[in-house]
Amino acid sequence: DAGVIQSPRHEVTEMGQEVTLRCKPISGHNSLFWYRQTMMRGLELLIYFNNNVPIDDSGMPEDRFSAKMPNASFSTLKIQPSEPRDSAVYFCASSLEDRGENIQYFGAGTRLSVL
Amino acid sequence: EDQVTQSPEALRLQEGESSSLNCSYTVSGLRGLFWYRQDPGKGPEFLFTLYSAGEEKEKERLKATLTKKESFLHITAPKPEDSATYLCAVQAEVGNNDMRFGAGTRLTVKP
Repeated sequence: DAGVIQSPRHEVTEMGQEVTLRCKPISGHNSLFWYRQTMMRGLELLIYFNNNVPIDDSGMPEDRFSAKMPNASFSTLKIQPSEPRDSAVYFCASSLEDRGENIQYFGAGTRLSVL
Repeated sequence: EDQVTQSPEALRLQEGESSSLNCSYTVSGLRGLFWYRQDPGKGPEFLFTLYSAGEEKEKERLKATLTKKESFLHITAPKPEDSATYLCAVQAEVGNNDMRFGAGTRLTVKP
């Protein structure tokens, strides 16, 4: 398996523009997680899907952020409008949720810079 | 609220100088404790999962141990390629299957 695939790897945009980050989870995994990583706050969970349904979005900073998972093989994280404080590395992770191990496997991340 | 504290924030070792990284946690029932390695510009890479106090796991020069309050990642005779940030995360027994991460320990191994 190719692992979790994120695109783009880097995104530079201007304040006020819409940004869409994409994620393809590992085939067969039923849980998907979006994280944000900054020097100040470390790795923070934004939202978590199970079987394509959002389970916990309490980490989404504000209404400018939205996430969708239209099917088991694709998810998006959208920021509209973007602000400079959104600059961070955004990671997607997937796992096979069951009663045993629930190991999350991470993608390479999208580095977002909002100017 | 679940909390994870890692120490030290940064650690510099000479090649071959063994040491340990600490992860202290507070969680309402531990489902699992996870160790990840993160290289610059990459996503976290899974290393170990520990489930119960007393459990130990090993992989090459790394050994992870778990007590009821903390976990240690022991690095024996490290090499420069072990340089990375090591992240600890906990998953609670009750609730969602999300994980809470610590801030990480940035390890540098000098040749």
